[in-house]
Amino acid sequence: EIVLTQSPGTLSLSPGDRATLSCRASQSVTNNFLAWYQQKPGQAPRLLIYDASTRATGIPDRFSGSGSGTDFTLTISRLEPDDFAVYYCQQCAFSPRTFGQGTKVEIK
Amino acid sequence: EVQLLESGGGLVQPGGSLRLSCAASGFTVNSDGMSWIRQAPGKWLEWVSGIGASDGRTYYADSVKGRFTISRDNSKNTLYLEMNSLRDEDTAVYYCARDQGWEHASWGQGTLVTVSS
Repeated sequence: EIVLTQSPGTLSLSPGDRATLSCRASQSVTNNFLAWYQQKPGQAPRLLIYDASTRATGIPDRFSGSGSGTDFTLTISRLEPDDFAVYYCQQCAFSPRTFGQGTKVEIK
Repeated sequence: EVQLLESGGGLVQPGGSLRLSCAASGFTVNSDGMSWIRQAPGKWLEWVSGIGASDGRTYYADSVKGRFTISRDNSKNTLYLEMNSLRDEDTAVYYCARDQGWEHASWGQGTLVTVSS
């Protein structure tokens, strides 16, 4: 199965800062079928990005995804208070559809 | 509006069984792929099982293959996860999700399964 490694584990930033989250796959993700999710405490995850760079419905444009092959990035251009959460990447190219271990974006 | 409501979680002894249900509204469960994803306490997400939209093909994580069965009842617009031979490591919140392509576009609120003696 494909292993996804997210870095850093924790990102300590202030509102208004730019956040850059990394997701590296153990093998190439076909067709860039890579998704990003946001999860807040006690809530279900929410789909942010799919196909590496396409924003899901209703997702603000401060969230952007990029990358291909084995290296992918989620960028939040200017952090808002509501953005402090845990972010997961998931490859959807192969079964099982594995997740990364998550990056926590916390308030500095 | 798409809504997913899981039920059926609870406390079960190791080796026991449970059936989780996910009642859908706002769409039909056989029109899209559906998945179960779980999250152990304090841990990350783990995809557990999926069922295809058109062909009903089923998929399982190795950790549950042979023990869990995913199915759907179109007349009740409900997704199920039959879980047998439960182990301590199956303890988690179980989410059902509606798939858009292969990603999970809509999620339920989750149901907690605790496997313990």
